[in-house]
Amino acid sequence: AQKVTQAQTEISVVEKEDVTLDCVYETRDTTYYLFWYKQPPSGELVFLIRRNSFDEQNEISGRYSWNFQKSTSSFNFTITASQVVDSAVYFCALTQTGANNLFFGTGTRLTVIP
Amino acid sequence: ETGVTQTPRHLVMGMTNKKSLKCEQHLGHNAMYWYKQSAKKPLELMFVYSLEERVENNSVPSRFSPECPNSSHLFLHLHTLQPEDSALYLCASSQDRIPRGGYTFGSGTRLTVV
Repeated sequence: AQKVTQAQTEISVVEKEDVTLDCVYETRDTTYYLFWYKQPPSGELVFLIRRNSFDEQNEISGRYSWNFQKSTSSFNFTITASQVVDSAVYFCALTQTGANNLFFGTGTRLTVIP
Repeated sequence: ETGVTQTPRHLVMGMTNKKSLKCEQHLGHNAMYWYKQSAKKPLELMFVYSLEERVENNSVPSRFSPECPNSSHLFLHLHTLQPEDSALYLCASSQDRIPRGGYTFGSGTRLTVV
């Protein structure tokens, strides 16, 4: 079975603070793929990053960084120096060999207060 | 146009009406999906199509009827809906049936059933 848990339902931070969004996953497969999506108020889910299970190297893209740790089955997402435009719902997702679809977590609503 | 386009963006319908949601992708992808996103609930997978063949029907009531005439178009036909069907309906596409590369989402159709 596969499952994605985002325990943080809502987070509020003040602009310029750093914030980490947690994602814990479960899968029995050794080959799997992890994703983060951003859903701004407009509704469309925007792809942020994809990681496969064989690549544990952490990634940084501007103010965004991702920490993939297989030992704890986590794929956490950090926003550095948050901005109001980062306010959105963020979803972590998983797929694996043989799956027809992505399995999404319940999302974390991030509010950045000016 | 590029990406995934959904029409209409907003729809209000009565419980006895029949309407259709349309999704179109110009990415050359082979798989398409319908998701339902209700307030305070996780993303719910409804249907999966791969090369115009339905590969998953996630226990969706028969008042929702999908149609995939070709790999670029996906419809969701609606009839005799209930107020609890009010939600954001999201279409997505992926390169292959196993979405290793993730999804590209449309902007969604916000449906209100009155």
